Amino acid sequence: GAVVSQHPSWVICKSGTSVKIECRSLDFQATTMFWYRQFPKQSLMLMATSNEGSKATYEQGVEKDKFLINHASLTLSTLTVTSAHPEDSSFYICSAPPEAGYGYTFGSGTRLTVV
Amino acid sequence: SQQGEEDPQALSIQEGENATMNCSYKTSINNLQWYRQNSGRGLVHLILIRSNEREKHSGRLRVTLDTSKKSSSLLITASRAADTASYFCATDRLSEKLVFGKGMKLTVNP
Repeated sequence: GAVVSQHPSWVICKSGTSVKIECRSLDFQATTMFWYRQFPKQSLMLMATSNEGSKATYEQGVEKDKFLINHASLTLSTLTVTSAHPEDSSFYICSAPPEAGYGYTFGSGTRLTVV
Repeated sequence: SQQGEEDPQALSIQEGENATMNCSYKTSINNLQWYRQNSGRGLVHLILIRSNEREKHSGRLRVTLDTSKKSSSLLITASRAADTASYFCATDRLSEKLVFGKGMKLTVNP
């Protein structure tokens, strides 16, 4: 089945620095990638949808300049958290759209801790 | 409130017992999906049931869908300690975003 590889699995960074998270579709081409954020003991909230060859679509309330999303190719989508602050500490997960008859394929997630 | 509300929020059972989780939603859907998440990990797709289906089975999993009541249930039979995880339902409206419920933490005690 479809596999999405997400890196890094965890990262600790200092306030004010930027962090890039990558998601790669390993055995298929993904023209779309969904990016979610999950706070502890909470559900997943969609942040934005990246589209290969066009600008990402952001959900209401998500800062475009802070969470930079780039869909560089049909197999790579990246999320960059710029000027990170402690409140950005969260679990970030990417997901590729479903293939026929199956659900969405999720990356393994990235635990970001900003200190 | 958020579409896809699981009920109960936490469930603790003994190994071998059955676990039932319910999910309600508010709008029309194309399909409903159930996912499992181990602590600090990504989501694993368990089962998808389309809006024109009423029941679906996959191994020890049984999912029902009642579109008139806008509700779904996930039954895990003969639970194992390895089933301990958080379970989410998510609704999919055609060409729209996947909306997740709050999740339900299942603990299966050996």
